[in-house]
Amino acid sequence: DAGVIQSPRHEVTEMGQEVTLRCKPISGHNSLFWYRQTMMRGLELLIYFNNNVPIDDSGMPEDRFSAKMPNASFSTLKIQPSEPRDSAVYFCASSFKALYGYTFGSGTRLTVV
Amino acid sequence: AQTVTQSQPEMSVQEAETVTLSCTYDTSESDYYLFWYKQPPSRQMILVIRQEAYKQQNATENRFSVNFQKAAKSFSLKISDSQLGDAAMYFCAYRRGGGATNKLIFGTGTLLAVQP
Repeated sequence: DAGVIQSPRHEVTEMGQEVTLRCKPISGHNSLFWYRQTMMRGLELLIYFNNNVPIDDSGMPEDRFSAKMPNASFSTLKIQPSEPRDSAVYFCASSFKALYGYTFGSGTRLTVV
Repeated sequence: AQTVTQSQPEMSVQEAETVTLSCTYDTSESDYYLFWYKQPPSRQMILVIRQEAYKQQNATENRFSVNFQKAAKSFSLKISDSQLGDAAMYFCAYRRGGGATNKLIFGTGTLLAVQP
């Protein structure tokens, strides 16, 4: 298995632009999680899905952030408009059973200038 | 609400020595799992070891072992024969049992340096 695949690996964009981060979970995993990591705030859970349905989006910081999971093999996290304080590493992770924890993607480093 | 606390922001160990990273957690649940993740400079989050709360035996994975004290709600990670490649940020994490939707709750991490 190729693991959890995230794209792009790096993204540099100008303030005000729309940013879309992509994630392909491991086949057969039925839960998907989006995290944001910064030095100041550590790892923050933004939103998670089970069987493609959003379960908890209470971690989404603002209405500028949105996430979708149109099918079991694809999810997006969109920021519109982006701001410099959105600069962070964004991780996607998927899971099958609680016992096994998560499998993380390699993350997207977002820089908003 | 469940919380995970890592009280050591940074640790250092000499190559080939042993180091222990501390983690405590707070929960009223009886069914849960505990994990240690490693994040090297490449930023990839790698699962190091996991422990089921119902198991009394401490988990071991090669040079990595845990000391799970359920009553004290303590879950420390011991790294034996430390290697330069062990240098990384280590995160302790808790997950309630019962389903894949239960989220992982992470501690703030311990940055481990390995001195040659």
